[in-house]
Amino acid sequence: EVQLVESGGGLVQPGGSLRLSCAASGFTFSSYWMSWVRQAPGKGLEWVANIKQDGSEKYYVDSVKGRFTISRDNAKNSLYLQMNSLRAEDTAVYYCARECRGYYDSSGYYITTRYFDYWGQGTLVTVSS
Amino acid sequence: DIQMTQSPSSLSASVGDRVTITCQASQDISNYLNWYQQKPGKAPKLLIYDASNLETGVPSRFSGSGSGTDFTFTISSLQPEDIATYYCQQYDNLPPVTFGGGTKVEIK
Repeated sequence: EVQLVESGGGLVQPGGSLRLSCAASGFTFSSYWMSWVRQAPGKGLEWVANIKQDGSEKYYVDSVKGRFTISRDNAKNSLYLQMNSLRAEDTAVYYCARECRGYYDSSGYYITTRYFDYWGQGTLVTVSS
Repeated sequence: DIQMTQSPSSLSASVGDRVTITCQASQDISNYLNWYQQKPGKAPKLLIYDASNLETGVPSRFSGSGSGTDFTFTISSLQPEDIATYYCQQYDNLPPVTFGGGTKVEIK
């Protein structure tokens, strides 16, 4: 059974730092792109960052570039999000999510795609003084 | 970035009703469109990928259609357990992926 379990959330003051972790199990972690997606209280979903299987490619939403760093440790089946210079607008539940990048259709053709097929339960980050 | 306009933002329908949600992209995204269901206090759940493919284990009353800029998500017969917020999500060759604003579905 695929499981993603986030941890590390909490209350932090503006300008502070926090490191989120996501422990993965039930699948070959090193074979998948992974993402962080957040949801501010009462708001919609916002993709934050993702990382390639071997960590060689990383992408971020503009609002967190230069402040957040995504990383992974395939030996520990773990995904991380280092969050620095936190702002009130970073307050949200942060989910880690597995990305599916392709599948074989009924004819045996490989179809490239991109969707989030498994999500963790989320960890709440509150930025407030 | 590609913007996704989802409508309505909320709706109220009776059990057994047909429910339709639309999502419009700010530019052509082919069929690069997914749909998720999120129940209160829970993580999102994938329902439909690539505009019209039903995820394994998802009831057949859920369906999706469309391509280009206009997409539709349908619940053919609303059930009490379908009370949730539904989100569309586009992907393109480059980040970022973006989500629609969500549609909250309630029982009348």
